[in-house]
Amino acid sequence: DAKTTQPPSMDCAEGRAANLPCNHSTISGNEYVYWYRQIHSQGPQYIIHGLKNNETNEMASLIITEDRKSSTLILPHATLRDTAVYYCIVRPNNDMRFGAGTRLTVKP
Amino acid sequence: KAGVTQTPRYLIKTRGQQVTLSCSPISGHRSVSWYQQTPGQGLQFLFEYFSETQRNKGNFPGRFSGRQFSNSRSEMNVSTLELGDSALYLCASSWGTGSHYGYTFGSGTRLTVV
Repeated sequence: DAKTTQPPSMDCAEGRAANLPCNHSTISGNEYVYWYRQIHSQGPQYIIHGLKNNETNEMASLIITEDRKSSTLILPHATLRDTAVYYCIVRPNNDMRFGAGTRLTVKP
Repeated sequence: KAGVTQTPRYLIKTRGQQVTLSCSPISGHRSVSWYQQTPGQGLQFLFEYFSETQRNKGNFPGRFSGRQFSNSRSEMNVSTLELGDSALYLCASSWGTGSHYGYTFGSGTRLTVV
């Protein structure tokens, strides 16, 4: 089952950075951290993933601590369309298990 | 390129019937996973197939089954439907099963059992 812990909900003001934390203290050395989001019962959408280095793409940045026991997803300029449930997942060499995620609400 | 395609998008079935859902993965993807999503239980893993073999299975009764064809397309079947099987069923595909392979999800099939 899910190997991650996330806060159940967070709010963010439109235009500000949204920082979503995730704890994965039992992560193994070869397991990647993935972030997905799900908007209103659509299929989860891939955001970003990483192993040990920080990663950035056009959607977000992923900061992984040096001990890899936690990470933070950063949406640099949140918009109303970023309101969604965000899932942090540690993927072993088999299936991907989802936890409850963080419900991010971006407010005008 | 085409994404993960799930058919049908919506389905209404009667309790006791059976249902088959279909998933066409992204071209080249050999791994297909299925998930059930309900408001109360969230996203729950059903099973994963790779090269026509079931690799992993979640904690679901034997009424839930699946298969994968040689072209990587997959189907899942639910027999003797119960009201509690009403859910969004999501399929995801991946190049492989290693940790560095991410999943791409389809839009899902919403099943309603009446």
